[in-house]
Amino acid sequence: KAGVTQTPRYLIKTRGQQVTLSCSPISGHRSVSWYQQTPGQGLQFLFEYFSETQRNKGNFPGRFSGRQFSNSRSEMNVSTLELGDSALYLCASSAWTGTNEQFFGPGTRLTVL
Amino acid sequence: AQTVTQSQPEMSVQEAETVTLSCTYDTSENNYYLFWYKQPPSRQMILVIRQEAYKQQNATENRFSVNFQKAAKSFSLKISDSQLGDTAMYFCAFMKLTYDKVIFGPGTSLSVIP
Repeated sequence: KAGVTQTPRYLIKTRGQQVTLSCSPISGHRSVSWYQQTPGQGLQFLFEYFSETQRNKGNFPGRFSGRQFSNSRSEMNVSTLELGDSALYLCASSAWTGTNEQFFGPGTRLTVL
Repeated sequence: AQTVTQSQPEMSVQEAETVTLSCTYDTSENNYYLFWYKQPPSRQMILVIRQEAYKQQNATENRFSVNFQKAAKSFSLKISDSQLGDTAMYFCAFMKLTYDKVIFGPGTSLSVIP
């Protein structure tokens, strides 16, 4: 099976812009989670989608949003970018069959100038 | 709220030696999952080992084993016969049995020295 893929891998934006990141989970996985990773804050949970529904949400402002499509692919959007949004954004998928193992993608490196 | 603590920001070990990474957590849950994830410099995060809290037996995966002390809320990772490819950030993580979210510790940067 192909692993979790994320596009784009690298992105440079300027303050005030908006950005959309994409994640394709492993085939058959219905759960997709998003994390923000920064040197200062570590790995922080953004949100999780299961069968097109947001099940859980972390403590991030409303500028961060996401969605999941019927094929389980997920997108996250960040509007009105701030310098502090510069981070590695990781997506993880899970089959949610009881083992709860999350399979991570390579991440999207977002730089906000 | 659950928290995960890793008190060793950086560690190093000689190739072929054994190293233990520490992790403690705080939760009021009785049943949960604990994980160790590895993130090599290439950034692809991969699962190293998983422990279900209701299982008393410590999990092992080849050279990786854990020491799970439920009462002490401790979950350490032992790497035997360390290899250069073990150089990575290691994250301890917690998740409730009924899915909530995965809580990660701050990580331990492990360097294996030839």
